[in-house]
Amino acid sequence: GDSVTQMEGPVTLSEEAFLTINCTYTATGYPSLFWYVQYPGEGLQLLLKATKADDKGSNKGFEATYRKETTSFHLEKGSVQVSDSAVYFCALTTGNQFYFGTGTSLTVIP
Amino acid sequence: DVKVTQSSRYLVKRTGEKVFLECVQDMDHENMFWYRQDPGLGLRLIYFSYDVKMKEKGDIPEGYSVSREKKERFSLILESASTNQTSMYLCAAGRAPQKLFFGSGTQLSVL
Repeated sequence: GDSVTQMEGPVTLSEEAFLTINCTYTATGYPSLFWYVQYPGEGLQLLLKATKADDKGSNKGFEATYRKETTSFHLEKGSVQVSDSAVYFCALTTGNQFYFGTGTSLTVIP
Repeated sequence: DVKVTQSSRYLVKRTGEKVFLECVQDMDHENMFWYRQDPGLGLRLIYFSYDVKMKEKGDIPEGYSVSREKKERFSLILESASTNQTSMYLCAAGRAPQKLFFGSGTQLSVL
């Protein structure tokens, strides 16, 4: 079945460090791919998405490229801030259902 | 802005109680979902509904039921709460392949 595997955390970085959170997927058909973010005490909110191969999603300095050949959608940011501390979820959908990874907790220290 | 509202932020119940978790959306979306979130397990789908009075089991439906009498409201029911149902419950609404909108979550503790 469809599934998402993402890098386990927790991840701790210093402010202005480079961030990569790995995500790979298994899907039948042609999935849309997402990164969601969950700030402390809140629900999930969409960070970025890509709907077809080679698309790049971007938002708030975060980027991810839909790589069909490697079935990956890695999240990157060139310079993280303390305010980026949150849990990040990779997700996909091929139909009515959405499938989420287990989440990666990021803590950014000043 | 679109909004998904969950009726309670924190809830404490006793083993064996019947528990209702309510979710309301104001976006006129057909699809609504209930997930539970547990550390190390991510989000697991309990039930979803793609129309009024329609429901589909997700990955972990045991011990739960749902009700969708109106398009905007999707209720999760724990018929007889147990301690292993202590968790964060998240409601979402949306239309694939578009994004999901999530509520703030209900942290349920079953004692």
